[in-house]
Amino acid sequence: QVQLVESGGGVVQPGRSLRLSCAASGFTFSSYGMHWVRQAPGKGLEWVAVIWYDGSNKYYADSVKGRFTISRDNSKNTLYLQMNSLRAEDTAVYYCARGTGIVGATGAFDIWGQGTMVTVSS
Amino acid sequence: AIRITQSPSSLSASTGDRVTITCRASQGISSYLAWYQQKPGKAPKLLIYAASTLQSGVPSRFSGSGSGTDFTLTISCLQSEDFATYYCQQYYSYPRGLTFGGGTKVEIK
Repeated sequence: QVQLVESGGGVVQPGRSLRLSCAASGFTFSSYGMHWVRQAPGKGLEWVAVIWYDGSNKYYADSVKGRFTISRDNSKNTLYLQMNSLRAEDTAVYYCARGTGIVGATGAFDIWGQGTMVTVSS
Repeated sequence: AIRITQSPSSLSASTGDRVTITCRASQGISSYLAWYQQKPGKAPKLLIYAASTLQSGVPSRFSGSGSGTDFTLTISCLQSEDFATYYCQQYYSYPRGLTFGGGTKVEIK
């Protein structure tokens, strides 16, 4: 079945780095734009970044620009989020999500992973 | 950035009730709006995209309407499994600055 599974979360000190992974299965990964969305404890959803189906374009939320890097390996059906210079306010559950691929709705997310928790604390 | 104001932030309702949630965008976004349902400890689930198109597999008691700046999600006959938090999201500014509303928690009265 169509599935996204995140990994790599954990507890990290402020200023350190962490890399998240998202393994995709059940669909043609290389045909879809992919996103990261996060949710701080008890808070709402915040879009983080998007990468084009072929990795040719990447866009970021202002809150993470210059610190986070989204990437993908289509040969491994895997999406990544490299997070550097982490701050306490980056503490959240991080979800990977698939763009719908529907014309006029590629900015909506139709498949989500279960999420991985990142805690930035000293 | 386009801001989305969602209201109410919470509501109490009974099974069988008709429930309406609204989102207002800070500028016109045509019909580039989606609705999601999130249950505690779970990932969000896409309900509606393009303001009014029901995602495959979503029950027909869910409907969306609106365009421009004002949008509505309606649950026509609330079921027990519908108690959850609902979010709207604009993607007019795609691929930059995608934004969500603050969420509406639908609780049991």
